[in-house]
Amino acid sequence: DVKVTQSSRYLVKRTGEKVFLECVQDMDHENMFWYRQDPGLGLRLIYFSYDVKMKEKGDIPEGYSVSREKKERFSLILESASTNQTSMYLCASRGETQYFGPGTRLLVL
Amino acid sequence: EDQVTQSPEALRLQEGESSSLNCSYTVSGLRGLFWYRQDPGKGPEFLFTLYSAGEEKEKERLKATLTKKESFLHITAPKPEDSATYLCAVRAQNTGNQFYFGTGTSLTVIP
Repeated sequence: DVKVTQSSRYLVKRTGEKVFLECVQDMDHENMFWYRQDPGLGLRLIYFSYDVKMKEKGDIPEGYSVSREKKERFSLILESASTNQTSMYLCASRGETQYFGPGTRLLVL
Repeated sequence: EDQVTQSPEALRLQEGESSSLNCSYTVSGLRGLFWYRQDPGKGPEFLFTLYSAGEEKEKERLKATLTKKESFLHITAPKPEDSATYLCAVRAQNTGNQFYFGTGTSLTVIP
């Protein structure tokens, strides 16, 4: 059974804090993705990675960075959290089909 | 520009009242159309992949079909536990690794 896990289900952070969201997949997939999901806007791609240490910007990369040091792990970093980054963050891993993690609901105060 | 549009945005059904959700797409060279179910506060759960026009997939009360321009998710005799948001996504030949998602249809099934 495929599995994508995310480090936290809920996070509360202060404006200006550095935030790390981690994602781990056990399917040996090369491709991993970070999305954010907001009401009325759907899923928007932040960054994706097609191999270890390789990354590409998605549609809304501003204010975010990523790290992929190992194939199974893909981290999303908010360098200086802002209130407009309050959202649901979803990690996904793709072979022929894309599978999602459970999501992290981040609140930035 | 590649685009995925889902309709309706929201749908309320009585238990047992069958209906269909629509996903229309405009992409160059479809490499796959994907349906997901998402419950509130959770990540999307994969349901089906369709690759070519005429293809159909079924799972319990759900049946997905595909034409050259759209896909339908038919729900037969729905139950309250089918209430969720249903997302459609496409992968195109010219987008490589990326999936393009619609904004979803929120389905509520009333007992």
